[in-house]
This record gives sequence, C-alpha cells and structure tokens, in this order.
Amino acid sequence: DAGVIQSPRHEVTEMGQEVTLRCKPISGHNSLFWYRQTMMRGLELLIYFNNNVPIDDSGMPEDRFSAKMPNASFSTLKIQPSEPRDSAVYFCASSLDFWEGDTDTQYFGPGTRLTVL
Amino acid sequence: TQLLEQSPQFLSIQEGENLTVYCNSSSVFSSLQWYRQEPGEGPVLLVTVVTGGEVKKLKRLTFQFGDARKDSSLHITAAQTGDTGLYLCAGPFSGTYKYIFGTGTRLKVLA
Repeated sequence: DAGVIQSPRHEVTEMGQEVTLRCKPISGHNSLFWYRQTMMRGLELLIYFNNNVPIDDSGMPEDRFSAKMPNASFSTLKIQPSEPRDSAVYFCASSLDFWEGDTDTQYFGPGTRLTVL
Repeated sequence: TQLLEQSPQFLSIQEGENLTVYCNSSSVFSSLQWYRQEPGEGPVLLVTVVTGGEVKKLKRLTFQFGDARKDSSLHITAAQTGDTGLYLCAGPFSGTYKYIFGTGTRLKVLA
C-alpha cells in the first residue's frame, strides 16, 4: 500500500488567500485525522472523521478552518482566509477503526508544510 | 487538562551511548504510545503500552509504562545515527479517541 498521501507537500501563499490541503487515507481505513504541528504548540488534533462523518471538530482553531470527507478515499482541509499564524505543517493520519479501541495505530502522511506570508 | 511533558527537550549524544527519554503526566492514561518522527516525514508508531508496569522491547529500544499509568520511559541502548529524530509520546484524552501528544524530545546521535 502507498500509505497516506498528502498534497501538496509544500504550499506558500499570501495572507488572505484560500488554501486547500488534500489527503488520501489508506484504503480500508475508516478513521481519518487532521493534525497541525508547530514548534510552539507541538502536534495538535484538529478534526476527526469516522466513516466519512466528522465526529469531533473541537480542535479546529476558528471558522476560517473547514474540513470535508466526501468519500472514504479523500479529505480536504481548507483555510479561508489564510493568516501568517496558520503557518505550520499539517498532517493527515488514518487508522483502521478507532471505535475498536484507543490503541489502534494511526498512520501519518508526510505532511504539508504551509507558509502564509 | 491532560498534558504530557517530555524530557529532555533536546539531546545530543555520541554513537554507542545509552539514553533515556521520559514522558510524564499528572493524569492517568489508559495507554501510551511512542512515535518517532524524522525530518520531512510524519510520526511513525513505535510501540503501544497498555498495562501499568509493562515493559516492551523493540531491538535496542526498551519502553516502560509506569505502574500508576501516569508516565512512561524510552531507553535506547548503544544509540546509532539512525536513531536521530523527534520522539513523541501520545495518549488518548480521557479514554476517548482524541490523542494528545507530548512536547517531544529531539534526539541527535553523532557519528
């Protein structure tokens, strides 16, 4: 399997622009997570989907952030409008089924490094 | 608020040396996981510990879960340059699916 695929790997944009990050989870995995990693705050969970349904988006920082999962093989994280403080590495992770227990393995993608100027 | 504090924050050692990284919390966790993250990549799961006092070995890496399930340690024997990376501990928040990650230990092993 190719693992979790994220695109783009790097994104540089100007403040105010819309940014869309994409994720393809591992085939057969029912749970999908979006994380953000910064030096100051470490790795933070933004939103969690199970069977394409958003279960918990309490980690989404503001209304400028939105995430969708239209089908089992694709998810997007959108920031509109983007701000310099959104600069971070955004990771997507998938797991077989988190409802089975909290020791399931999360497989992370390579991340998207976002820079907002 | 459940927090996972890791120490040390940075560690630079020579190849062949031993080291221990710690993950501490004031809260009880049902399980703890250890990840290693290399530059430009996502974290990769190394191990999950579930039972208080549990010890797991993965080649030169030894993981221990504290008896009270509030802390964990990672010991590396005879470190190699390939061990270089960011080590993260993580645990489920109050028994939910939401994982919180520790502050991280950045390890550099010099040849």
